[in-house]
Amino acid sequence: EAQVTQNPRYLITVTGKKLTVTCSQNMNHEYMSWYRQDPGLGLRQIYYSMNVEVTDKGDVPEGYKVSRKEKRNFPLILESPSPNQTSLYFCASSPTLGQWRAFFGQGTRLTVV
Amino acid sequence: QQQVKQSPQSLIVQKGGISIINCAYENTAFDYFPWYQQFPGKGPALLIAIRPDVSEKKEGRFTISFNKSAKQFSLHIMDSQPGDSATYFCAAGDGGFKTIFGAGTRLFVKA
Repeated sequence: EAQVTQNPRYLITVTGKKLTVTCSQNMNHEYMSWYRQDPGLGLRQIYYSMNVEVTDKGDVPEGYKVSRKEKRNFPLILESPSPNQTSLYFCASSPTLGQWRAFFGQGTRLTVV
Repeated sequence: QQQVKQSPQSLIVQKGGISIINCAYENTAFDYFPWYQQFPGKGPALLIAIRPDVSEKKEGRFTISFNKSAKQFSLHIMDSQPGDSATYFCAAGDGGFKTIFGAGTRLFVKA
């Protein structure tokens, strides 16, 4: 089954404790991205990757890092999480340059206390 | 920041009625306009999309209407069903790597 898998689905952590949210896709897509979803703000792009070792900032990259060492994986790293990073996070992948045809993961609900 | 403005925030429709969600954009460089549907606990899923050279696109009960001169587009759900209850996001992209999403509309269809 074609899918984008995120882990964990739920995470509660403390301020400053480094964490990684993993994302993996089995569709051989070149393009992957991370979004955060907040009430009243919709989905905002954090980072995106056009291919292995090629990444760039989205609209809200502050406080996040990403890496793309393999085509299928695109982890999101929070080096020093803060409470304003409490949000619902989605990873997405797309087979084309146009990200409108994106396949989304099921989301990771992160709470930073 | 480029914006896509979506309204209403929430919508209650009777079963069998028409649900209408509106979006407006600013950047004339946008060249594709998708709509996503999201159920609770799930990620968004592509519902239907349109390019600006087309004024209307229909897929089953879902129709996108596009007004290029007004920089507006809308989603119409005909014969709305309780199973359509979800959050709907409009979006706009420039053919590159960025897609800008609206804030979302929570639709509830009353049985």
